[in-house]
Amino acid sequence: ETGVTQTPRHLVMGMTNKKSLKCEQHLGHNAMYWYKQSAKKPLELMFVYNFKEQTENNSVPSRFSPECPNSSHLFLHLHTLQPEDSALYLCASSQDGYTEAFFGQGTRLTVV
Amino acid sequence: GESVGLHLPTLSVQEGDNSIINCAYSNSASDYFIWYKQESGKGPQFIIDIRSNMDKRQGQRVTVLLNKTVKHLSLQIAATQPGDSAVYFCAENKGLDSSYKLIFGSGTRLLVRP
Repeated sequence: ETGVTQTPRHLVMGMTNKKSLKCEQHLGHNAMYWYKQSAKKPLELMFVYNFKEQTENNSVPSRFSPECPNSSHLFLHLHTLQPEDSALYLCASSQDGYTEAFFGQGTRLTVV
Repeated sequence: GESVGLHLPTLSVQEGDNSIINCAYSNSASDYFIWYKQESGKGPQFIIDIRSNMDKRQGQRVTVLLNKTVKHLSLQIAATQPGDSAVYFCAENKGLDSSYKLIFGSGTRLLVRP
């Protein structure tokens, strides 16, 4: 266990659905991240939060909407996704954004 | 669905031999580097890190070497074991301001032959 917990582990959703991915870290870290890992591309950084403030949006489509209510929780709200959005979505946290990041197990998302 | 996967370079080694996995990074301003291991169905797991003021760092059975001149990073695994079979990623911290972030390479698959 890395101290970063993601739920659900698996999610199948239709293109018209709305769903949310949840990430929780118990490490007292101040930075949290969303990454996308697909079969066609390496790990892609999506969003960065430092001290609950979004500091990076890596040109992610608006159908992905992050939320960071506090330093321990991070959400990724999904709506009107496309089949090509099917991937493993990984959450990570680090102490200050300048040290190693600890990853959760990921949510395997399938859009049908 | 996707029918074509990302082609990962693969390193096949005999159990007990040493493994060397290489990585080229892109940003000469990057000053922090990490190696991660990812097993099937799991998230990436931290192995070892190194900062740009060092050229070598050792851990338990692993050594990371940094050559800033040619922007090259390597991970050496001593006495490779079957449990070392996984995909290995290098990551660089491209923080040029207060917004630090880790950018990952495409990965190398390590296969350990019994």
